[in-house]
Amino acid sequence: NAGVTQTPKFQVLKTGQSMTLQCAQDMNHNSMYWYRQDPGMGLRLIYYSASEGTTDKGEVPNGYNVSRLNKREFSLRLESAAPSQTSVYFCASRLLLAGYNEQFFGPGTRLTVL
Amino acid sequence: AQSVTQPDIHITVSEGASLELRCNYSYGATPYLFWYVQSPGQGLQLLLKYFSGDTLVQGIKGFEAEFKRSQSSFNLRKPSVHWSDAAEYFCAVGRNTGFQKLVFGTGTRLLVSP
Repeated sequence: NAGVTQTPKFQVLKTGQSMTLQCAQDMNHNSMYWYRQDPGMGLRLIYYSASEGTTDKGEVPNGYNVSRLNKREFSLRLESAAPSQTSVYFCASRLLLAGYNEQFFGPGTRLTVL
Repeated sequence: AQSVTQPDIHITVSEGASLELRCNYSYGATPYLFWYVQSPGQGLQLLLKYFSGDTLVQGIKGFEAEFKRSQSSFNLRKPSVHWSDAAEYFCAVGRNTGFQKLVFGTGTRLLVSP
């Protein structure tokens, strides 16, 4: 199992450009998440998908859109990138069961917006 | 809403010395608690988790944490630190009802001196 994979690993954009960050998991998890990590702020939830076919806003959704393409894939789109979106983006997945179990994280995408 | 405080931004420990990283949470009921570790340029790896039961939980790499309800704390400990433990450590809290979203602390960077 590859776990959670993210592409690309690095990206540089100019202000106003658009791009899509890809995330896939092969663990048959039903819940998926997108976080951003900024220095001194920990990880903040952008969007999540509790199950295939549903998406919801997290703590910092402005400027982003998501698509839960199927059970395996959850993409994050920046329609018009801004310097404030320079960050490291992490995708995570979790098997939703009664009770709780942990989220598994991908290696991250480092995005710079000039 | 739940929140997490990690009061120490940086901690330096000598190799072989003991370690304690602090985590305080705010939540109205018994939370689900996690410690994750992030090595430089990597994603997050789960060290340990607390859902219920024994308040002292053991994790990977020789780490343990103790849940103290009266102090709203979940501090991470290790009796003898190795140079490879240098990383950033994140405490996270999740609700125990409904769809569980994690809230992360801002992280503590551990430096290990020879």
